[in-house]
Amino acid sequence: DAGVIQSPRHEVTEMGQEVTLRCKPISGHNSLFWYRQTMMRGLELLIYFNNNVPIDDSGMPEDRFSAKMPNASFSTLKIQPSEPRDSAVYFCASSPGTGSEQYFGPGTRLTVT
Amino acid sequence: AQRVTQPEKLLSVFKGAPVELKCNYSYSGSPELFWYVQYSRQRLQLLLRHISRESIKGFTADLNKGETSFHLKKPFAQEEDSAMYYCVLTQAGGGNKLTFGTGTQLKVEL
Repeated sequence: DAGVIQSPRHEVTEMGQEVTLRCKPISGHNSLFWYRQTMMRGLELLIYFNNNVPIDDSGMPEDRFSAKMPNASFSTLKIQPSEPRDSAVYFCASSPGTGSEQYFGPGTRLTVT
Repeated sequence: AQRVTQPEKLLSVFKGAPVELKCNYSYSGSPELFWYVQYSRQRLQLLLRHISRESIKGFTADLNKGETSFHLKKPFAQEEDSAMYYCVLTQAGGGNKLTFGTGTQLKVEL
């Protein structure tokens, strides 16, 4: 099992461009989480889904951020338009059920210039 | 609001010395606490959870509700323990929303 898969691993883009981060959770897991990690704020939960339904998006910083989970095996986090302060490492994690251990992906390092 | 505080960004110890990574939390409800670890070039992963009351890789952590602490301890540090350690809080009984501390980088020197 390859675990949680994220793509791309690195993304460099210019301010104002749209950025799409992708995540494939572990098969059979029904919860999916998006986190952002920065030096200033550490690791923060942005949004999470249960059974493909967004449950809590209170961590999404602003309307420029959106996340979707069209099916059980795929999720996207989109930033449009991107800004330099969005530069961070974005992690996706999945878990088999509520309160279970979360399994993290390798992260996507985003740099917005 | 829930908050997790790890006061040390970096902790450096010698091999064989005892290790204690400090963690304090604030939470109005009944908490469940974890320690997650990230070794160099590996993914963030669960190390242990307080409800399991088990020792993992020689590490233990006791939840002290009076002091609102969940310090991670190991009597004799090994070189392979060098990693980033995060104290994590969620709601007891199956909470999905994890609150992470800022992490402590443990460096075990020979």
